Amino acid sequence: DVKVTQSSRYLVKRTGEKVFLECVQDMDHENMFWYRQDPGLGLRLIYFSYDVKMKEKGDIPEGYSVSREKKERFSLILESASTNQTSMYLCASLRGARRNEQFFGPGTRLTVL
Amino acid sequence: AQTVTQSQPEMSVQEAETVTLSCTYDTSESDYYLFWYKQPPSRQMILVIRQEAYKQQNATENRFSVNFQKAAKSFSLKISDSQLGDAAMYFCAYIGGANSKLTFGKGITLSVRP
Repeated sequence: DVKVTQSSRYLVKRTGEKVFLECVQDMDHENMFWYRQDPGLGLRLIYFSYDVKMKEKGDIPEGYSVSREKKERFSLILESASTNQTSMYLCASLRGARRNEQFFGPGTRLTVL
Repeated sequence: AQTVTQSQPEMSVQEAETVTLSCTYDTSESDYYLFWYKQPPSRQMILVIRQEAYKQQNATENRFSVNFQKAAKSFSLKISDSQLGDAAMYFCAYIGGANSKLTFGKGITLSVRP
């Protein structure tokens, strides 16, 4: 079974802090994604990566950056956290063609005070 | 831009009954794929069913089936013999053309009454 893990289920940070959200997948998938999930808005893509050191902006990249130094790990970085970044963050991975199933992590619920 | 619309935020079904969740989408592409994902409370999102646009036959996975109306750009999910474990948030999603990004609807919360 594919396993996608995220470093924390719950995280509380203060405004202005630098925040790292980590995601690891164990099935050698090329593609990895970061989404945020907000009530009434569904899932919105922040960034995705189709290979090591490669990244592309999603629909809402402002205020975020990403890092993919190893194939299995995709990090989401909030350079200076703000209260409007309080949300559920979901990581996903995908093997090969875009028609394939994305596998999701359990999510990190981030609260920025 | 592609859009996915789930107009009903919540639905409820009696255990063992059938329920249909609606989804419409907008695209100018001819080659695309549609998905239904399930997110149980406090658990990971999983794929329920997938439909390729070029296939006329509606996809089926056990108690889950879709009604894919390509001309109407409609993609509804039917859950037969509903079970308590079907209670979850369900997301309709689209991917198509040269775009490798999955576009999600806003989701619908399904509750199952015992």
